[in-house]
Amino acid sequence: DIQMTQSPSSLSASVGDRVSITCHTSQSISTYLNWYQQKPGQAPNLLIYAASSLQSGVPSRFSGTGSGTDFTLTISSLQFGDSATYYCQQSYASPYTFGQGTKLEI
Amino acid sequence: EVQLVESGGGLVQPGGSLRLSCAASGFTFSNYEMNWVRQAPGMGLHWISYINSGGDNIFYADSVKGRLTISRDNARNSVYLQMNSLRAEDTAIYYCARFGRDGGRLQFDLWGRGTLVVVSS
Repeated sequence: DIQMTQSPSSLSASVGDRVSITCHTSQSISTYLNWYQQKPGQAPNLLIYAASSLQSGVPSRFSGTGSGTDFTLTISSLQFGDSATYYCQQSYASPYTFGQGTKLEI
Repeated sequence: EVQLVESGGGLVQPGGSLRLSCAASGFTFSNYEMNWVRQAPGMGLHWISYINSGGDNIFYADSVKGRLTISRDNARNSVYLQMNSLRAEDTAIYYCARFGRDGGRLQFDLWGRGTLVVVSS
C-alpha cells in the first residue's frame, strides 16, 4: 500500500496569511494526487486534482504543486472560511489512501 | 441537481448486518466509477471500496475484505454496500463518492452527505 504522510498535523494562522501543507508518499505516484477540504459536520470537498489542477468553483487562492513523492497545497491570503481539515489522497493505485489530515485554524 | 444521497445507516449489534444505499441523480450514473469512503468519529478519511461503471471490477481495503460487498444497479442509479459481521471498529460515517476522470487522473469529485453506522451492543 502507498503510505501518505502529511505535515503539519495542525497549524494556526491569521487572516491574510499564506500557508502550505505538505504530503509525502511512500512511492512515486507521478501527479496522481488530490487535495480535499473538510469542514466540521460536512462531507469532504475536492480542491485540487492531478496535483495542480484547480477544481471548478474553488477559489484561486488554493494551489497545488509537486510530482513523484512530494506535494504541496498552498493557500494564499487566508480567509476565516478556510478553517477546516485538509487531506491529500493518492489515486495511483488501490487502496486509494488518504493522508492523516491537517487541521487549519484561523 | 447533481447529487449523491446515502441511506441505510443506523445502530446494529456486533456481528450484525446492514445494507447501505447511495442514490445518484443529475448525471449519467452508468458512466462513472463509484466508491465508499468512511470516517470513524473524530478520525480521518479511509477509502474502503471501489466499483467500476459496469460493476465487474471491484476493489476493497484489506480492513473490510470478506465482510463488505459493493454492488451497483445502473438502472436504479444506485450503488450499495452490504456490510456483514460488523465490528465496533466499523462505527463510522459512510460516504458514497464518485470518481471523476480528467486526463486519465481519478479524483473523488462528488460526495454524498454520509450515513452514520454505529456498531454497539
